[in-house]
Amino acid sequence: TQLLEQSPQFLSIQEGENLTVYCNSSSVFSSLQWYRQEPGEGPVLLVTVVTGGEVKKLKRLTFQFGDARKDSSLHITAAQPGDTGLYLCAGAGGNTGKLIFGQGTTLQVKP
Amino acid sequence: SQTIHQWPATLVQPVGSPLSLECTVEGTSNPNLYWYRQAAGRGLQLLFYSVGIGQISSEVPQNLSASRPQDRQFILSSKKLLLSDSGFYLCAWSAQGNSPLHFGNGTRLTVT
Repeated sequence: TQLLEQSPQFLSIQEGENLTVYCNSSSVFSSLQWYRQEPGEGPVLLVTVVTGGEVKKLKRLTFQFGDARKDSSLHITAAQPGDTGLYLCAGAGGNTGKLIFGQGTTLQVKP
Repeated sequence: SQTIHQWPATLVQPVGSPLSLECTVEGTSNPNLYWYRQAAGRGLQLLFYSVGIGQISSEVPQNLSASRPQDRQFILSSKKLLLSDSGFYLCAWSAQGNSPLHFGNGTRLTVT
């Protein structure tokens, strides 16, 4: 069974601080996606990484896919209160489109 | 552009009552369709997915069932709700293959 371990589960920081969220597995994924979810809404895709070692940047967010395609990280620079939310990583395996989701990281950025 | 509609947004039902949650997608053809359940502030558990009309795969044994009567319609049902069925239910669609998921805004179900 493929599993994605996401850490930390909760993170409360002050505005302006940096943070990193990790997503780890013993399984290889063909791609990995990061989503952000606000209360009462569905998750929204932030980025998809496909190639081992790939790095993608989205403004202050930097996403990295591990060389072996088993892990990924999300780094936020100078966090803002608007970054508050639940961050989910999800790995894709076969061709069915079924994703394996991590347990999520709840981020709170205090002004 | 593609849109996904899920309703109702909230639902309170007594134990033993039936359930029907509906999800429709517009602006795309032959999507993969999914039903997920999410515990508060946690990850998503895949309940059902469908790659075509009448094709339903169940991921976990449970008190729920799913149907896909039309290409862009996905329904989550139960004949008799249990307290443990309470949760946040999310419908999603994707293009074929490993394309990203597009989620609806969810249904908060409370079984009392």
